[in-house]
Order: sequence, then structure tokens, then C-alpha cells
Amino acid sequence: AQSVTQLDSHVSVSEGTPVLLRCNYSSSYSPSLFWYVQHPNKGLQLLLKYTSAATLVKGINGFEAEFKKSETSFHLTKPSAHMSDAAEYFCVVSDRTGNTGKLIFGQGTTLQVKP
Amino acid sequence: GAVVSQHPSWVICKSGTSVKIECRSLDFQATTMFWYRQFPKQSLMLMATSNEGSKATYEQGVEKDKFLINHASLTLSTLTVTSAHPEDSSFYICSARDHTGAREKLFFGSGTQLSVL
Repeated sequence: AQSVTQLDSHVSVSEGTPVLLRCNYSSSYSPSLFWYVQHPNKGLQLLLKYTSAATLVKGINGFEAEFKKSETSFHLTKPSAHMSDAAEYFCVVSDRTGNTGKLIFGQGTTLQVKP
Repeated sequence: GAVVSQHPSWVICKSGTSVKIECRSLDFQATTMFWYRQFPKQSLMLMATSNEGSKATYEQGVEKDKFLINHASLTLSTLTVTSAHPEDSSFYICSARDHTGAREKLFFGSGTQLSVL
């Protein structure tokens, strides 16, 4: 079975400073991992995904994440936060059993960006 | 690009009534769609997997008689909340899997905020 744990429910950074959103996963086989962002009153948007290719994954809006199998982690980073980055972020693992493609979501991390 | 349309975006209903939410894939055929619900300040929880032409697969703890899912065509899945109660108030979101092309892609609808009075 798969599970994902986001270690911080709320992260607050100043504009222009680095962002680190932490995620640990548990999977019985090689997982597919994703980061999604949810802005208020909007749907989910895929930031990036890891699917057993390069361990350092670059996504949209300057975000990137590194898959570390030894640490079972998939932390999301960005060198410099923008005000528009304030949103809810979800780390997600894919259930690859069969072809159902079910996603298991972490609890979410609220990113606050202060001016 | 591919788009998933979800309607309505918000709905208010009286307790005991039924509400239907539609999820449409606009420019691709989706044999599989997923329905999630999100309580305030909580994560999204998968409710069920909807497969075109067959019965939906429900997650443990989800009442199939209360949350009716119909996936009658390759571009439309519907979720009907029957005899809604205030505890059913939540944010419901669908996603559709696009199998065309070399890689599968998953697209999300914009969600439906349901408030049951």
C-alpha cells in the first residue's frame, strides 16, 4: 500500500526567500510521485511529477523536487518565493496496481508568502 | 490542451434532496474518471473510480447507495449525492485520465462546493 506524509501543515516564508515543502512517502514498489497546487476557489494544477526517470524533477513556475529513494522523500523546493505562490500544496503518490491510477494525497501544506 | 469541465461549481440544497454533479472531458475520451471529496482544511480523499460502461469501484467507507456514480459515455461521469444531509457538505472534485498519446495524463475539474442546509 502507498501513503504519503507532508511534514508541515503550514509554511511561512518571505517573498524572495527559498521555499521547502517536505514530503515523505511509503510504497511497496517504485512509485510515481507528484506535487499539485491548489489556489483558492480553483482546481488542482500539476506542478511536477516523478516517474522513475531523472531523480531531480523540474516543474512549472520555478519549482523542482528531488526523489531520494534512500530517504523515501520527495521534497518540493523553489529558490525564490513569489506572492503568487501562496496556495495549498499536495504531495501525491500514485497507486500503480493494475491500471486504476488512483492517487493518494498527502494532508496538504499551506504556503504563506509574506511581503 | 485537454480540459475537464465540472458543473456546477457550487450548489446549495435543502436537506433530503439530491444533487447531481457532472464531469466532462472536453477533448479526449476518458475511460476512467475519479471522484474525490475534500473537507475544509483537509486533503482530498478518493471516493470512487468510475469506469465507462461498468460499475464504479468505491473506496472503503464510501456509501455506494448514497453517492451514485454513472459513467455512461466516454466523456461524461456524474456523481449524484442522494438524500443529502449537512454532513455531505464538502468540496467534490473529479479527474479524468487521458490515455491518448504515448503517456497517460490526468486532468482535474475545477471542483464543486456543495452546501446542504
